[in-house]
Amino acid sequence: AQTVTQSQPEMSVQEAETVTLSCTYDTSESDYYLFWYKQPPSRQMILVIRQEAYKQQNATENRFSVNFQKAAKSFSLKISDSQLGDAAMYFCAYRSRQGGSEKLVFGKGTKLTVNP
Amino acid sequence: NAGVTQTPKFRVLKTGQSMTLLCAQDMNHEYMYWYRQDPGMGLRLIHYSVGEGTTAKGEVPDGYNVSRLKKQNFLLGLESAAPSQTSVYFCASSYSHSQAFFGQGTRLTVV
Repeated sequence: AQTVTQSQPEMSVQEAETVTLSCTYDTSESDYYLFWYKQPPSRQMILVIRQEAYKQQNATENRFSVNFQKAAKSFSLKISDSQLGDAAMYFCAYRSRQGGSEKLVFGKGTKLTVNP
Repeated sequence: NAGVTQTPKFRVLKTGQSMTLLCAQDMNHEYMYWYRQDPGMGLRLIHYSVGEGTTAKGEVPDGYNVSRLKKQNFLLGLESAAPSQTSVYFCASSYSHSQAFFGQGTRLTVV
């Protein structure tokens, strides 16, 4: 079974600085998707960024980028120029591409605090 | 376009009572999921469905049942609620090979 591990329960960053959130996963599959979701206090789950395992290029969305290391099964999220609105829980998630069994599995989350 | 809608938003149950949580999506998604979120535990998959009429167990299925009689609806049932089922429940839906879209969550308290 696939598992996702986020080893940092909490992180903090100064406004305008850069922070990196860690995520590792365990799988025997070669083709899959990885996601980072943000959950602000409103409780809404918001997609931050996605990465297809077959793509070697790291995904980027404005201030958010990932460092995808397939061999190491690592998928970290870098937030540049942190803003107060980035404060939230961040969840790393894995999705299989095996048709008919596309479970979406989450890590336990990292609570990010942004200090003014 | 409503997206994913969960009903109800909040509920308090007494131990032993039963209830059904409804998830409705209007995006014609094949896949639907039910998760529970507890402090420090992240989102844990309860059950999921890969299409109308099909369901499968996730990580923590005990004490829950599901049904997907219509493609747009995914129901989560608690037959005999226990305090350990106090949690926030999330429904999500997606196409194959795509991101999941989430509902707003249901806060359930079992006393």
